[in-house]
Amino acid sequence: KQEVTQIPAALSVPEGENLVLNCSFTDSAIYNLQWFRQDPGKGLTSLLLIQSSQREQTSGRLNASLDKSSGRSTLYIAASQPGDSATYLCAVSSGGSYIPTFGRGTSLIVHP
Amino acid sequence: GAGVSQSPSNKVTEKGKDVELRCDPISGHTALYWYRQSLGQGLEFLIYFQGNSAPDKSGLPSDRFSAERTGGSVSTLTIQRTQQEDSAVYLCASSTTSAQGYTFGSGTRLTVV
Repeated sequence: KQEVTQIPAALSVPEGENLVLNCSFTDSAIYNLQWFRQDPGKGLTSLLLIQSSQREQTSGRLNASLDKSSGRSTLYIAASQPGDSATYLCAVSSGGSYIPTFGRGTSLIVHP
Repeated sequence: GAGVSQSPSNKVTEKGKDVELRCDPISGHTALYWYRQSLGQGLEFLIYFQGNSAPDKSGLPSDRFSAERTGGSVSTLTIQRTQQEDSAVYLCASSTTSAQGYTFGSGTRLTVV
């Protein structure tokens, strides 16, 4: 059974810092990995999708990497802004099922 | 539609009542997923529909929970005899294939009083 862990659980940083959020998974036979953002009281917004054959994906100030052999993905946020404050969730599809398994998320606060 | 639509956005119900939550996926998306997110908890998988195949119900927490998907499109999640522990946000997602990732709706916040 796939297990997904996100570290740290919470993070508070001043505006302008570069951040790294971590996601680890136990079963490396994945189809893809997707990073989401969730604002309080809202649904999930997709940020980046990495296929199993890819090493990284970039969108604006966001870069996500994938290392299947070590069971890890990182989400890099450059020059953080207060508007980046949200919970970031990692979801992994694997093991013969297309049902994504989610981590518990990293709650990020960027203060001015 | 342009996105996954869920209704109602908020539902308050009395303990013991039945509730129905609706999900309208993106047109053409064959896969549909229901998740539950309790306060301070992660996303808990409930049920998965793929095309005309039998749904994967392995995540449903009890026989009070059921879901159907009519015509391969709209899905309804039904909770019978609601309990206070059913209070949570119920999220629906759809996808074309796993390779294309998942799109989530805004969720239904269910409060059982």
